[in-house]
Amino acid sequence: QKEVEQNSGPLSVPEGAIASLNCTYSDRGSQSFFWYRQYSGKSPELIMSIYSNGDKEDGRFTAQLNKASQYVSLLIRDSQPSDSATYLCAGGRNYGGSQGNLIFGKGTKLSVKP
Amino acid sequence: NAGVTQTPKFQVLKTGQSMTLQCAQDMNHNSMYWYRQDPGMGLRLIYYSASEGTTDKGEVPNGYNVSRLNKREFSLRLESAAPSQTSVYFCATQTEFSGVYRIYNEQFFGPGTRLTVL
Repeated sequence: QKEVEQNSGPLSVPEGAIASLNCTYSDRGSQSFFWYRQYSGKSPELIMSIYSNGDKEDGRFTAQLNKASQYVSLLIRDSQPSDSATYLCAGGRNYGGSQGNLIFGKGTKLSVKP
Repeated sequence: NAGVTQTPKFQVLKTGQSMTLQCAQDMNHNSMYWYRQDPGMGLRLIYYSASEGTTDKGEVPNGYNVSRLNKREFSLRLESAAPSQTSVYFCATQTEFSGVYRIYNEQFFGPGTRLTVL
């Protein structure tokens, strides 16, 4: 059974701090990893994709991937109250068709306090 | 571009009634998905379609049927709704970047349908 595990939270950080969200995965064949942000009552929105070991930065967001440890993380610098949402981690294999289906974690709820 | 659209946004059914949830995309993606999302359960895959003309069961297919009408449209049907099917339903499409070595599978979601079965 392929799984993606996340701490459900809630993770509470003060405004301006760094929020660190973590995710582990069981399928060693997974090659692509994604972070989605989901506001309450809304649909998941893709915010970061990472395919190689190391860090990938996009504005205030940094995704980190360590395939040896089967670990993915998302850092949010200078956290804002508007970052308060549930963050979903997903992973999948680089194949077309059904073998490329993503496996989603259940999400971590982040609360940024003013 | 509208991306992924879903209709209706909200629906209330009585037990035993049937309905079809509609999904359409203008992203020219081959793969389309139907998920349900329940509190504490995360996203659970109901059915998917890797290409026009093909459909496959996901994790929780019981009580549902799907139709991939064409490349753009993928519908989900509840033949006899049950209270256990009360949920938020999301349709998604998946990008395929066909390169020499790698395919990157990013999924994009529609706005969702909130279904209540009484």
